Amino acid sequence: ETGVTQSPTHLIKTRGQQVTLRCSSQSGHNTVSWYQQALGQGPQFIFQYYREEENGRGNFPPRFSGLQFPNYSSELNVNALELDDSALYLCASSLSPGNTEAFFGQGTRLTVV
Amino acid sequence: AQSVTQLGSHVSVSEGALVLLRCNYSSSVPPYLFWYVQYPNQGLQLLLKYTSAATLVKGINGFEAEFKKSETSFHLTKPSAHMSDAAEYFCAVSDPGANSKLTFGKGITLSVRP
Repeated sequence: ETGVTQSPTHLIKTRGQQVTLRCSSQSGHNTVSWYQQALGQGPQFIFQYYREEENGRGNFPPRFSGLQFPNYSSELNVNALELDDSALYLCASSLSPGNTEAFFGQGTRLTVV
Repeated sequence: AQSVTQLGSHVSVSEGALVLLRCNYSSSVPPYLFWYVQYPNQGLQLLLKYTSAATLVKGINGFEAEFKKSETSFHLTKPSAHMSDAAEYFCAVSDPGANSKLTFGKGITLSVRP
């Protein structure tokens, strides 16, 4: 059984640029959630995708967007990067939207300079 | 709205001593509650969860937590700390609704002294 994998593990971007982060969900999981973890903070919910549609969103601006593909993998896109976007971005997959057991990937460390 | 408060940002214990990490929650509906552990440069691993069954929940690595509705608490304990327990611990709450999004506390760093 393959776990949740995220790519890349680290990247550095310049303020104003755009970035795409990728997540492959665990085998059999059709729901993917994205979280932002700033340094010294707990993760914050960005949004969830189910059946290729957004299924709930946290308090993040529209420049944070996502996609889910037919194989349930997902992308997180962030436009017009700001310095405060520097964080660890975590992807979590689950069997369904209401399933309470989420499995997390190792995360992507984004640094905006 | 749901929220989680984790008192203190750092707890230090001696190897073999009791571990107690505190978590208080606020929720307008009966909550689901979770403890996750995060080792350096890794994602989150579920330690245990409470989903309205038994109030004393046992998890992995010898950890357990007790749901106390009257105190709105879900404290994490382990009778005897091991060096490998040193990590960041997060308490989280979920509304068992449409998307079960997790609301996390700020986390507690556990250090274990030899």
